[in-house]
Amino acid sequence: QLQLQESGPGLVKPSETLSLTCTVSGGSISSSNYYWGWIRQPPGKGLEWVASGHHSGSTYYNPSLKSRVTISVDTSKNQFSLYLSSVTAADTSMYYCTRHPPGRSGSRFDYWGRGTLVTVSS
Amino acid sequence: QSVLTQPPSVSGAPGQRVIISCTGSSSNFGAGYDVHWYQQLPGTAPKLLIYGDRNRPSGVPDRFSGSRSGTSASLAIRGLQAEDEADYYCQSYDSSLSGWVFGGGTRLTVL
Repeated sequence: QLQLQESGPGLVKPSETLSLTCTVSGGSISSSNYYWGWIRQPPGKGLEWVASGHHSGSTYYNPSLKSRVTISVDTSKNQFSLYLSSVTAADTSMYYCTRHPPGRSGSRFDYWGRGTLVTVSS
Repeated sequence: QSVLTQPPSVSGAPGQRVIISCTGSSSNFGAGYDVHWYQQLPGTAPKLLIYGDRNRPSGVPDRFSGSRSGTSASLAIRGLQAEDEADYYCQSYDSSLSGWVFGGGTRLTVL
């Protein structure tokens, strides 16, 4: 059974870079055609897709965050990571790592991590 | 404002049938992009409930069903149970925004 587990600091200072890692177990990131992504949810609010990446190097970013976000996939560690720069309080959210198949229409997020809460505060 | 519009809340008594709507536009549903639905129980991560408009992943009861027509989609839950009380989100791809988008979410209350 595929499992995803987020890790990273729970508190980040304003203007700094948020860094999160998702460790995948029960399957190989590099042996599948799936994309690996991040979705966030501010406290008490809805879901927002942040970024997706593939072991081939292909990436997709939410246009509203594109200037600040980077996703990378490390096949040697079976992990993928999210980097969000110049954070503000508006970036305070629960961050979930996910998986989705390629393609625009059929892309549903079928596996999710439990999520990690990141608070931006000095 | 979400690209996909859902009612903030719906409610129903045990055993009843409820429908959650999701209204999109010509750049998502109207362009032929599928709708997917997620259930988020309190304090947990979202779970895929319906994919490709009307397909249920293994383990999802057939009480849950989905449909899409034109620029709208809907999730129907029949035989409502107490454990269905959760937030429900629709999701699709939007060509204008060049990304995957979610509805604002609908809180289902079982009376």
